Amino acid sequence: GEDVEQSLFLSVREGDSSVINCTYTDSSSTYLYWYKQEPGAGLQLLTYIFSNMDMKQDQRLTVLLNKKDKHLSLRIADTQTGDSAIYFCAAPPDKLIFGTGTRLQVFP
Amino acid sequence: DGGITQSPKYLFRKEGQNVTLSCEQNLNHDAMYWYRQDPGQGLRLIYYSQIVNDFQKGDIAEGYSVSREKKESFPLTVTSAQKNPTAFYLCASSMNVRTEAFFGQGTRLTVV
Repeated sequence: GEDVEQSLFLSVREGDSSVINCTYTDSSSTYLYWYKQEPGAGLQLLTYIFSNMDMKQDQRLTVLLNKKDKHLSLRIADTQTGDSAIYFCAAPPDKLIFGTGTRLQVFP
Repeated sequence: DGGITQSPKYLFRKEGQNVTLSCEQNLNHDAMYWYRQDPGQGLRLIYYSQIVNDFQKGDIAEGYSVSREKKESFPLTVTSAQKNPTAFYLCASSMNVRTEAFFGQGTRLTVV
């Protein structure tokens, strides 16, 4: 079945770049997504990439997609303390499955 | 305002009791989902529905039941058969199973 994997934790210094990685097994997804979850809240869509693209840039966010390796990454430039949250990737083939989430901690 | 609403935000249940979590959306979305979130385990899919009057089991459906009698509503019942029901429950909806999902604010269920 579908499987999405992420590393559990990432800790970065304020002002540095963060890179959150995700691997998935089912390559039939039309769109791939990154969501952000603040403590005690639901998820909010952060950005997405169409499956025929390699890269998408959206202000401080850069999404890279390597379809051959089934690897998706999210780069956050100039990481701020407000970026501290859990980040989930999703690659829905026929249902919306998420990875384990990566908890990003930003320290001053 | 369009959105997805979960209620209640906090819920306490005695062991052995069934409890129903509410999820309503006014986004005219066909697909709806229920997830369970435990610390360090991400989101696990309980049930999902692609269209009204139809639903499928997710990865951890045992001890849960759902209904989809109306397009805007997808209630989740946590039954007494669910061995470890204390968790954070999230509901979501989307136009279809491949498009962007919108999430409710979650219900934290505690069994006492």
